[in-house]
Amino acid sequence: EAQVTQNPRYLITVTGKKLTVTCSQNMNHEYMSWYRQDPGLGLRQIYYSMNVEVTDKGDVPEGYKVSRKEKRNFPLILESPSPNQTSLYFCASSSLVTDRGNSPLHFGNGTRLTVT
Amino acid sequence: GENVEQHPSTLSVQEGDSAVIKCTYSDSASNYFPWYKQELGKRPQLIIDIRSNVGEKKDQRIAVTLNKTAKHFSLHITETQPEDSAVYFCAAAGGGNKLTFGTGTQLKVEL
Repeated sequence: EAQVTQNPRYLITVTGKKLTVTCSQNMNHEYMSWYRQDPGLGLRQIYYSMNVEVTDKGDVPEGYKVSRKEKRNFPLILESPSPNQTSLYFCASSSLVTDRGNSPLHFGNGTRLTVT
Repeated sequence: GENVEQHPSTLSVQEGDSAVIKCTYSDSASNYFPWYKQELGKRPQLIIDIRSNVGEKKDQRIAVTLNKTAKHFSLHITETQPEDSAVYFCAAAGGGNKLTFGTGTQLKVEL
């Protein structure tokens, strides 16, 4: 089954304790992205990647890191989490190889992070 | 960069009525406009999309219209049902798949 898998689904941590949220897709998609969702603010892009070893900042990258060592994986790293990073996080992927231009994003099930 | 505004933020309709959600975008280079539905506690899922070379697209009870000159696009849901209750997000993108989302519309379909 084609899917984007995020882990964990729920995570409670304390300020300053490094954490990683994993994201994996099995659709051979070139494009992967991380979003955070906060009430009233919609989905805001954190980082994205157009292919292996190619990453770029989105609209709210401060406090986050990513890596794209393999095509299927795109982990989100919080080196020193703070309470303002408490949010719902979504990983998404899509194909870039299409004769119609943009292609739909496929989202993971989300990770609800609480930083105390 | 792109800026997408979405209205209304909440919408309540009676079952069987129509619902319309409107979005505007700022970047005239944007050429792809998807709509996502997010049910409570679940991930956003694509329900319909439209590209800039098309003015309208329909899929059963759902339709999207695009006015490139005015930089407006809208989602129309006809004959609404309780299962249409969800948060709906519009988005806009130029080349490279960088989607900018609206802030969402909470649609409630009342019996």
